[in-house]
Amino acid sequence: GAGVSQSPRYKVAKRGQDVALRCDPISGHVSLFWYQQALGQGPEFLTYFQNEAQLDKSGLPSDRFFAERPEGSVSTLKIQRTQQEDSAVYLCASSYIGVAGRYQPQHFGDGTRLSIL
Amino acid sequence: DQQVKQNSPSLSVQEGRISILNCDYTNSMFDYFLWYKKYPAEGPTFLISISSIKDKNEDGRFTVFLNKSAKHLSLHIVPSQPGDSAVYFCAARKEYGNKLVFGAGTILRVKS
Repeated sequence: GAGVSQSPRYKVAKRGQDVALRCDPISGHVSLFWYQQALGQGPEFLTYFQNEAQLDKSGLPSDRFFAERPEGSVSTLKIQRTQQEDSAVYLCASSYIGVAGRYQPQHFGDGTRLSIL
Repeated sequence: DQQVKQNSPSLSVQEGRISILNCDYTNSMFDYFLWYKKYPAEGPTFLISISSIKDKNEDGRFTVFLNKSAKHLSLHIVPSQPGDSAVYFCAARKEYGNKLVFGAGTILRVKS
């Protein structure tokens, strides 16, 4: 498809289970981002990849959160030993690298709604 | 700390009139500002952006104004249409950074 694709769209897990969320970015987009969006709030940054390199993981809330992009395309966000406060929508975004100082906006997928029971 | 603030949780406008959505920020290191539109159960869709070196950018019915001295930006939609009803997020990027910092969003309802 032409846009950012995320799967699954909905995920329900019991507290303590591990979950894996997938993101397939727009073809050719070097940059990939993960955001977490709580109900009634704006998205909050989790982590950033340029190709396969994770250049910024300052937004990951704990060491239970892990992201990878091994071949510089598809990315997976993994949450271990899930807790109820992990319930949120997880958004993936991708973009080109801006050249000559020109900013390239991020394009978002529809997100994965994670519910921890 | 909330570096990007959208102080109006909701706005209701009559079809055909102007919608004005506001956003304030605190970090003078932001160099790009963006507006995203979000429908329920969908991801945010990029609308329009503005560099901190400009004070206005226009794209069709959408115009973004930036007042750096006041650390304030606004999105004008003229004329408003029922399909514009959505949540609008203001976002900002720190100079030479990559991540975006978002406001909490404003729900726009355009009444026909």
